[in-house]
Amino acid sequence: GEDVEQSLFLSVREGDSSVINCTYTDSSSTYLYWYKQEPGAGLQLLTYIFSNMDMKQDQRLTVLLNKKDKHLSLRIADTQTGDSAIYFCAESPRRLTFGSGTRLQVQP
Amino acid sequence: DAGVTQSPTHLIKTRGQHVTLRCSPISGHKSVSWYQQVLGQGPQFIFQYYEKEERGRGNFPDRFSARQFPNYSSELNVNALLLGDSALYLCASSLDEGFDGYTFGSGTRLTVV
Repeated sequence: GEDVEQSLFLSVREGDSSVINCTYTDSSSTYLYWYKQEPGAGLQLLTYIFSNMDMKQDQRLTVLLNKKDKHLSLRIADTQTGDSAIYFCAESPRRLTFGSGTRLQVQP
Repeated sequence: DAGVTQSPTHLIKTRGQHVTLRCSPISGHKSVSWYQQVLGQGPQFIFQYYEKEERGRGNFPDRFSARQFPNYSSELNVNALLLGDSALYLCASSLDEGFDGYTFGSGTRLTVV
């Protein structure tokens, strides 16, 4: 079946880069997404990448996809305290299968 | 433009009761999906509707049902509530069947006591 795995926790200092990793098992995945969830809130779509792409950059966010290893990463440059949240990777098509989330803690 | 709106925001129900959750998608979006997020976990897919037809169902018991109306809004119904149904219920809408990404609402926090 489909499975998406993430590390549970990441702590960085303000101004450093953060790298959040994700692995997935479904080889038919066509779209892979990164969502951000702040306490008590819904999910905010940060970015997504098509499975035929290796990299996508969007301002401070860089997504890398290694389709051979089924590995997805999200790099946040110049991490700020406002980036503290839980980050979920998800894969589709149609229904989203989410990982359990990575809690990013940004220390001043 | 209004985003995805869900009502109510919070709800407390007793075991055995029934609950109806509502979702209004972004204007022009024809697909609505429902997800259950238990505390400390990622969201789990429950249903997807597109153009008022069910397009997918997750691994949830028959106590869970949903429908989509002609205006593309949607309801999620849960019968015979169990304590384990306590969760954040998220609605997501997309323009088509989701290939361009889903926009989530803020969710309904359901507590079953």
